[in-house]
Amino acid sequence: GQNIDQPTEMTATEGAIVQINCTYQTSGFNGLFWYQQHAGEAPTFLSYNVLDGLEEKGRFSSFLSRSKGYSYLLLKELQMKDSASYLCAVGDSNYQLIWGAGTKLIIKP
Amino acid sequence: ETGVTQTPRHLVMGMTNKKSLKCEQHLGHNAMYWYKQSAKKPLELMFVYSLEERVENNSVPSRFSPECPNSSHLFLHLHTLQPEDSALYLCASSDRDSYPNTEAFFGQGTRLTVV
Repeated sequence: GQNIDQPTEMTATEGAIVQINCTYQTSGFNGLFWYQQHAGEAPTFLSYNVLDGLEEKGRFSSFLSRSKGYSYLLLKELQMKDSASYLCAVGDSNYQLIWGAGTKLIIKP
Repeated sequence: ETGVTQTPRHLVMGMTNKKSLKCEQHLGHNAMYWYKQSAKKPLELMFVYSLEERVENNSVPSRFSPECPNSSHLFLHLHTLQPEDSALYLCASSDRDSYPNTEAFFGQGTRLTVV
């Protein structure tokens, strides 16, 4: 079957660094997406990885290892506004997105 | 105007009611989606429309009926729902010509409560 696993909840301190992991097993692979979703709001696109390696975009970076079925989202210099859920999704062989349940990130002062 | 707009934002309905959710996208995309989001569960894809034709149904109960009159509008018609259908319903759109990066743009959702 198809499966996306990510931690349910994480807590970090303002100004620190946090890494949110995502492992996947899907029928085919057409890229991995990370989305951010604040409570009561729409998910918004953060990053897309289709090749192995690290993609950096400001304070956020996303890493992919296709051989390990593994990705992480790295958030640096955490701010209170980063408190949100972070959703991992994989494009399968039919180009449909398979979603994880999301990781709720709590930032403490 | 925002990219993807959903109305209403909140809806409370009885199990015998009929209501419709509306979604409109202003991004020129050729695919639109309905998702169900329940607490602590992955997003569940309900329906996909590509070029106004339904391409995915995912075994959704018949009490949910989608309609896509044109590439910019998508509806979800609801009737005789059950309390377990209470959830956040999200609409999304994407450009299927930009494979494989099928980034989806989401509306803010309709919070549905069935009483």
